Amino acid sequence: AQKVTQAQTEISVVEKEDVTLDCVYETRDTTYYLFWYKQPPSGELVFLIRRNSFDEQNEISGRYSWNFQKSTSSFNFTITASQVVDSAVYFCALTQGWDKIIFGKGTRLHILP
Amino acid sequence: DSGVTQTPKHLITATGQRVTLRCSPRSGDLSVYWYQQSLDQGLQFLIQYYNGEERAKGNILERFSAQQFPDLHSELNLSSLELGDSALYFCASSAPGGGNTDTQYFGPGTRLTVL
Repeated sequence: AQKVTQAQTEISVVEKEDVTLDCVYETRDTTYYLFWYKQPPSGELVFLIRRNSFDEQNEISGRYSWNFQKSTSSFNFTITASQVVDSAVYFCALTQGWDKIIFGKGTRLHILP
Repeated sequence: DSGVTQTPKHLITATGQRVTLRCSPRSGDLSVYWYQQSLDQGLQFLIQYYNGEERAKGNILERFSAQQFPDLHSELNLSSLELGDSALYFCASSAPGGGNTDTQYFGPGTRLTVL
């Protein structure tokens, strides 16, 4: 069955530290997409990245980077030099078939000043 | 700002009542998705519409229904409300591809409280 596991329920780090959020997935699909979304305290869901299963290149966007490893079914997210504004809940998501998306339970990240 | 609008922002109602949540997708997007976020169930996909037609169904209760109108806005109707229906309801829209592989842009959500 399709599943997304974000084993870290809550993480706290001090500002300027690097932090990695883990995402492990299970799927029967040969083609699939993975996503990360951010939910800040204001509540909206903000799209961060989409990655398809054929593209295992790591991605960097400013202080954010993503490591996709098909061999370990992981799609981890690293924030470098964290800032207080990075405090949020982060969700990893996986497509299921052609028409559904399933989300992990989320990781609540606290960046302490 | 994602470009997706949802109204109302907050809704407080009583058990047994019926409510309607409204969503306007980003300009040009044909797909609308509805999600429920609750503390115990997390984020759950409810239903998707594409250009007025139902495209996919997730964990949507029979007491809930949705539709997408010709102007592409969508409404989610929740009836015979129970305490457990209290949640944040999100709408999302995506570019015209129509499949779940498209990036979904989320609205700010409607917080429903059932008393």
